[in-house]
Amino acid sequence: DAKTTQPPSMDCAEGRAANLPCNHSTISGNEYVYWYRQIHSQGPQYIIHGLKNNETNEMASLIITEDRKSSTLILPHATLRDTAVYYCIVRSPRKGTGANSKLTFGKGITLSVRP
Amino acid sequence: EAGVAQSPRYKIIEKRQSVAFWCNPISGHATLYWYQQILGQGPKLLIQFQNNGVVDDSQLPKDRFSAERLKGVDSTLKIQPAKLEDSAVYLCASSLVGVHEQYFGPGTRLTVT
Repeated sequence: DAKTTQPPSMDCAEGRAANLPCNHSTISGNEYVYWYRQIHSQGPQYIIHGLKNNETNEMASLIITEDRKSSTLILPHATLRDTAVYYCIVRSPRKGTGANSKLTFGKGITLSVRP
Repeated sequence: EAGVAQSPRYKIIEKRQSVAFWCNPISGHATLYWYQQILGQGPKLLIQFQNNGVVDDSQLPKDRFSAERLKGVDSTLKIQPAKLEDSAVYLCASSLVGVHEQYFGPGTRLTVT
């Protein structure tokens, strides 16, 4: 699986948009970009994933550049509860056996939302 | 819908002792994962099951770690004997086959003294 690069930390003001960057310059054509987050003392939580097109759900938006070498997770109106470590992961499609492929987590980016 | 259940939530043991962790995945989820998360790092996959078969155990230290999922439902991860460097949070996750999202349990925090 391709590796990802994220800044170690960032902060934003409550109510403002949080834009979390991720570089994945060695991504292959069939690899997906995933975002998970981990709030302190909890297990990771799935946020969103995408292949080529931009994606939006009730939690966030995912913007993938046309060359797919980088992406941005956008939390449109950050709240204090969004303070967490956010992981950008590149994941291969399913194995040849049909089994799910694995997630390889890096260190992630720590987002601090300030009041 | 009940989430992934794990027990115990906390465990403190001395080095060279044995310990076991239990995980009950979300009902109907055929795929079960065990991860190790050392403080300050992201989770690392130890083993992946699909039903009761092992899909990936390439990062499991097999000289001391073992895992089983005998009936394809709940699972046990064992460490025997424990070392100081095994101090970590052990996370269990489950998913449907072919579905992108993994659901994680709250984890078991292990401290080896």
